[in-house]
Amino acid sequence: KQEVTQIPAALSVPEGENLVLNCSFTDSAIYNLQWFRQDPGKGLTSLLLIQSSQREQTSGRLNASLDKSSGRSTLYIAASQPGDSATYLCAVGNDYKLSFGAGTTVTVRA
Amino acid sequence: NAGVTQTPKFQVLKTGQSMTLQCAQDMNHNSMYWYRQDPGMGLRLIYYSASEGTTDKGEVPNGYNVSRLNKREFSLRLESAAPSQTSVYFCASSEPQPNTGELFFGEGSRLTVL
Repeated sequence: KQEVTQIPAALSVPEGENLVLNCSFTDSAIYNLQWFRQDPGKGLTSLLLIQSSQREQTSGRLNASLDKSSGRSTLYIAASQPGDSATYLCAVGNDYKLSFGAGTTVTVRA
Repeated sequence: NAGVTQTPKFQVLKTGQSMTLQCAQDMNHNSMYWYRQDPGMGLRLIYYSASEGTTDKGEVPNGYNVSRLNKREFSLRLESAAPSQTSVYFCASSEPQPNTGELFFGEGSRLTVL
């Protein structure tokens, strides 16, 4: 059974600081890994999708890396802004199913 | 673009009542999913449908049934609601892996069982 862990559970940083969010998983036989953002009371919005053959994906201020052999992914958010405050979840895809971590709740202080 | 649409957004039930959560997607995806989200536990897969006409159990299927009505629609039914089913329910769709597998979510349905 795939286990996905996100550390830390919560993070508070001043505006402008870079954010580093970690995700680890136990079964390296994955198809892909996806990072999501969730605002309070809302659904999940896909941020980045990394296929198993890729090492990283970038979108604007976001960069996600994937190391399958060590079972790790890291989401970097450069020059954080108060609008980046949200919960960030990672999910790994095995077969038809995605397994989710519990998320990291980020607060960016103005 | 509507994407994934869920109804209702909020529902309060009494123990033992039944209800159906509806989900529709307009992205022509083959795969659809129902998840529940509880505080501190992340999202857990209830049921999924890899393609029209097929459904399979996920991690926490007990107390639920599903119907893949057609390619667009995937419903989740609670036959006899219990307080442990108080949760936020999310429907999602994707193209199946090993295609892109990117998952798209609805806004969620908040269910309270008294």
